[in-house]
Amino acid sequence: DAMVIQNPRYQVTQFGKPVTLSCSQTLNHNVMYWYQQKSSQAPKLLFHYYDKDFNNEADTPDNFQSRRPNTSFCFLDIRSPGLGDAAMYLCATSGSGTPEAYNEQFFGPGTRLTVL
Amino acid sequence: SQKIEQNSEALNIQEGKTATLTCNYTNYSPAYLQWYRQDPGRGPVFLLLIRENEKEKRKERLKVTFDTTLKQSLFHITASQPADSATYLCALVYVRALTFGSGTRLQVQP
Repeated sequence: DAMVIQNPRYQVTQFGKPVTLSCSQTLNHNVMYWYQQKSSQAPKLLFHYYDKDFNNEADTPDNFQSRRPNTSFCFLDIRSPGLGDAAMYLCATSGSGTPEAYNEQFFGPGTRLTVL
Repeated sequence: SQKIEQNSEALNIQEGKTATLTCNYTNYSPAYLQWYRQDPGRGPVFLLLIRENEKEKRKERLKVTFDTTLKQSLFHITASQPADSATYLCALVYVRALTFGSGTRLQVQP
């Protein structure tokens, strides 16, 4: 089945120690997104790629970076995690063509990040 | 900036009843509005999309309305089942980005 895969599902890191979360997709979608979701809050868009075109949200901290080496993979790098960065990180994809195609987003299961 | 309001209190209903969830937004109306379901510890799952020029959209037991005058969307689940228990998020579409509400948790009692 075509899907969005996130690894690992659970990640524990230490305060200030860089961490990388990964996302892969078999949907061949042009657009990939990273969201941060804290408990009982809305998912918050951090950035997205339309193909190789990177789009950063204005309020995304510089501490968060992303890489998309090819269509299938996208990485979220947190350079110096703080306690406030503990959250669920969600990767999503969408297609292109019709507006409906690129507006329906397909989410992975998420990576829960704990910062000690 | 756009603000989306969903009832943060859980909605508890009996099996077989219709659940109605509300999504209100401020500022300008989006071109599209979506509803997602999210189970604990999982990513959201797309349910329905409605365009700004559509008043109502249905899919099986689900119905969504979109009133751009009231700046409100209603999400209905008819003949609700315990398996419908989850958090339901509305999301507004601007260009390619989604802005989510924080969701309403629905609990369907058997």
